[in-house]
Amino acid sequence: EPEVTQTPSHQVTQMGQEVILRCVPISNHLYFYWYRQILGQKVEFLVSFYNNEISEKSEIFDDQFSVERPDGSNFTLKIRSTKLEDSAMYFCASYQLPRAFPDGGYTFGSGTRLTVV
Amino acid sequence: QKEVEQNSGPLSVPEGAIASLNCTYSDRGSQSFFWYRQYSGKSPELIMFIYSNGDKEDGRFTAQLNKASQYVSLLIRDSQPSDSATYLCASEPAGNKLTFGGGTRVLVKP
Repeated sequence: EPEVTQTPSHQVTQMGQEVILRCVPISNHLYFYWYRQILGQKVEFLVSFYNNEISEKSEIFDDQFSVERPDGSNFTLKIRSTKLEDSAMYFCASYQLPRAFPDGGYTFGSGTRLTVV
Repeated sequence: QKEVEQNSGPLSVPEGAIASLNCTYSDRGSQSFFWYRQYSGKSPELIMFIYSNGDKEDGRFTAQLNKASQYVSLLIRDSQPSDSATYLCASEPAGNKLTFGGGTRVLVKP
């Protein structure tokens, strides 16, 4: 079964440093997403990406964040100057059009645990 | 603010019993709903996807959707210790993205 692959699985970084989280979505999917889950809290939408541009972003996704699809396969989330409160699990997801039944079309990666110290 | 609300639990059920989870949502424009299971430190794993009013059954799981009342429920029959996890309800408002509830923690006791 096709998978969404995320690397690294765990990243520790010092406050103020830049981090890049990487994702390889499923090849025939068209929408790509980043979600965040702070420990003990709900999964929160950050950004969606379609046709090589951001289609929607949440208020969390401020100027410190950026996304890119540098080649035909990778999808990256960059945090320019990390803060302690950026510590969270970051999940990449991709979505198939037309919607795939019965699973509803969304596939999540296994996540990257980001720890900012 | 479009919200999805769940009781945080924990919902403690004996092995073999039925676990009943509820979820309400505020956005009447949401058409599709998802139940995910999440083990600690892991990514959400899809359990059920439902978009029509009524019941949908898949193995030991039954999802029920009532759009008029804006609630979605999940029943887990013959609960097993491996079902112990946090169950996330998510809606899909307009725009191909998911809005998640805070999750209900389920503990199945042998």
